[in-house]
Amino acid sequence: AQKITQTQPGMFVQEKEAVTLDCTYDTSDPSYGLFWYKQPSSGEMIFLIYQGSYDQQNATEGRYSLNFQKARKSANLVISASQLGDSAMYFCAMSGGMFSGGYNKLIFGAGTRLAVHP
Amino acid sequence: DGGITQSPKYLFRKEGQNVTLSCEQNLNHDAMYWYRQDPGQGLRLIYYSQIVNDFQKGDIAEGYSVSREKKESFPLTVTSAQKNPTAFYLCASSSLTTQTSSYNEQFFGPGTRLTVL
Repeated sequence: AQKITQTQPGMFVQEKEAVTLDCTYDTSDPSYGLFWYKQPSSGEMIFLIYQGSYDQQNATEGRYSLNFQKARKSANLVISASQLGDSAMYFCAMSGGMFSGGYNKLIFGAGTRLAVHP
Repeated sequence: DGGITQSPKYLFRKEGQNVTLSCEQNLNHDAMYWYRQDPGQGLRLIYYSQIVNDFQKGDIAEGYSVSREKKESFPLTVTSAQKNPTAFYLCASSSLTTQTSSYNEQFFGPGTRLTVL
């Protein structure tokens, strides 16, 4: 079965500094996708970034980058130049393949609460 | 604007009552999902549907029911059989992925916070 683990319940970072949020995963599927979502206090889920298991390069989207280490089964989110508006919950998620119910399902980690200090 | 709407934003239920949470999308997505989120925890899948008139149980379907009579709508009923229904409920939708693509960005609604009195 697939599993997503986020070991950091909470993180603090100073404004304008970079921060790394950890995510490890477990799957027996050779093909899978990894996602990061942001959840502000309002509750909505905002998609940030995606990495496919066969992608050769790490994904980047503006200030967000995904440090994908396939052999270690980790998909850490790096936020550069943190802003006060980055304070939120961050969730790592995985889409499965043929052995895990198909790509149309997402499995989420427990999340990391990020607080950005001025 | 395309998006997903959920109503109501807040819902209060008495013990033993069934309540229905609404979810509508105008993104022309085939797939729709219901998740439950408890405080300090991640999202858990309740039900999902990939086509009209068909749906599958997720990891925590007991005490819930759904219907998918229209592509745009995927209402969730929390029945009296659900012993601890107080939670935040999120609806999502996505395009169907192909068997060769793992990309499945799900778009979420604003959520409904259900409290049992």
